[in-house]
Amino acid sequence: EAGVTQSPTHLIKTRGQQVTLRCSPISGHTSVYWYQQALGLGLQFLLWYDEGEERNRGNFPPRFSGRQFPNYSSELNVNALELEDSALYLCASSLAGWRRLNEEQYFGPGTRLTVT
Amino acid sequence: ILNVEQSPQSLHVQEGDSTNFTCSFPSSNFYALHWYRWETAKSPEALFVMTLNGDEKKKGRISATLNTKEGYSYLYIKGSQPEDSATYLCASPRSGYSTLTFGKGTMLLVSP
Repeated sequence: EAGVTQSPTHLIKTRGQQVTLRCSPISGHTSVYWYQQALGLGLQFLLWYDEGEERNRGNFPPRFSGRQFPNYSSELNVNALELEDSALYLCASSLAGWRRLNEEQYFGPGTRLTVT
Repeated sequence: ILNVEQSPQSLHVQEGDSTNFTCSFPSSNFYALHWYRWETAKSPEALFVMTLNGDEKKKGRISATLNTKEGYSYLYIKGSQPEDSATYLCASPRSGYSTLTFGKGTMLLVSP
């Protein structure tokens, strides 16, 4: 069974640019989560999608957005990139996360974004 | 705001040593406690999900306990091996949603 996949692996962007990161969940998983790990910080929750809807978002500005497609894959978009957006972005998926709080989340390998 | 704290921040042990780490979380509105292992250059991997006070879970040489009344969980590794070297993360669902609030992790290094 294929795990969670993410693309691209690495990305270098300039301040002010826009970036799109992609995630494909494990087959059968409907929930997709995005997390950010900036240097020196723990994993911070960004966004959660389930059944095509945004269910919850973390304490990030609106320039962080995303969507989930009918096949449950997901995109994370970051507009007007700032230097502090340099981080590892991890995607995770789970079975029907809505109100199922003991579901394991399965993580992808991440996208390393560097903003210069 | 849900605060999940882990200690120690890092740990260096010799092969064969047993070790343990702590995860602290607010005892009110508890839903679940997750443990993950994150090896360098790999994805975080789920170890345990615990929900009940007094829960004990075991996977090989790794085990975990949960005390929801006092708000802590311990992760134990018996007879540490170099392949156990990783960052161990605990996390708890925030505000009744399945999204996780993570601690900063305990980085374990096991020397041969």
